[in-house]
Amino acid sequence: AQTVTQSQPEMSVQEAETVTLSCTYDTSESDYYLFWYKQPPSRQMILVIRQEAYKQQNATENRFSVNFQKAAKSFSLKISDSQLGDAAMYFCAYRSRFRYGGSQGNLIFGKGTKLSVKP
Amino acid sequence: NAGVTQTPKFRVLKTGQSMTLLCAQDMNHEYMYWYRQDPGMGLRLIHYSVGEGTTAKGEVPDGYNVSRLKKQNFLLGLESAAPSQTSVYFCASSYSITYYEQYFGPGTRLTVT
Repeated sequence: AQTVTQSQPEMSVQEAETVTLSCTYDTSESDYYLFWYKQPPSRQMILVIRQEAYKQQNATENRFSVNFQKAAKSFSLKISDSQLGDAAMYFCAYRSRFRYGGSQGNLIFGKGTKLSVKP
Repeated sequence: NAGVTQTPKFRVLKTGQSMTLLCAQDMNHEYMYWYRQDPGMGLRLIHYSVGEGTTAKGEVPDGYNVSRLKKQNFLLGLESAAPSQTSVYFCASSYSITYYEQYFGPGTRLTVT
């Protein structure tokens, strides 16, 4: 079974600075997706960035980028030029790409990292 | 385009009461999921459906039942609510297993006293 681990329960960053959130995962599959979701106090789950395992190039979305290390099974999120609106819970998630071992495309989440941004 | 909606947004139940949470999507998605989120935990899969008329158990199915009589709706039922079912419930849907995007509803906060 796949697992996702976020080892940092809480992180803090100064506004305009850069912060990196860590995520490691365990899987025997070779083809999958990895995601970072943001959950602000409103509870809405917002997709921040995704990475396809077959792509070697790290995904980037504006101020958000990932460092995907497939062999190490590591998937960290870097937030540049942090803004007050970035304060939220961040979840790393894994999704099989195909129906391996009964998987039906559900997301497997880490426990989350609470990010606070100091003005 | 409403996306994924959930009804109700908040609910308080007494132990032993029953209720049904409704999830509706207007994107013609085949796959639908129910997750629960507890403090200090990520979302965990309760049940899921790969199409109209089909449902299956996820990671934490005990105490819940589901139905998918119509493609656009996925219902989550609690037959006899317990305090351990106090949680935030999220519904999600996706077009297919190979399409990466999974769309989430706004969540339902359920408290069982």
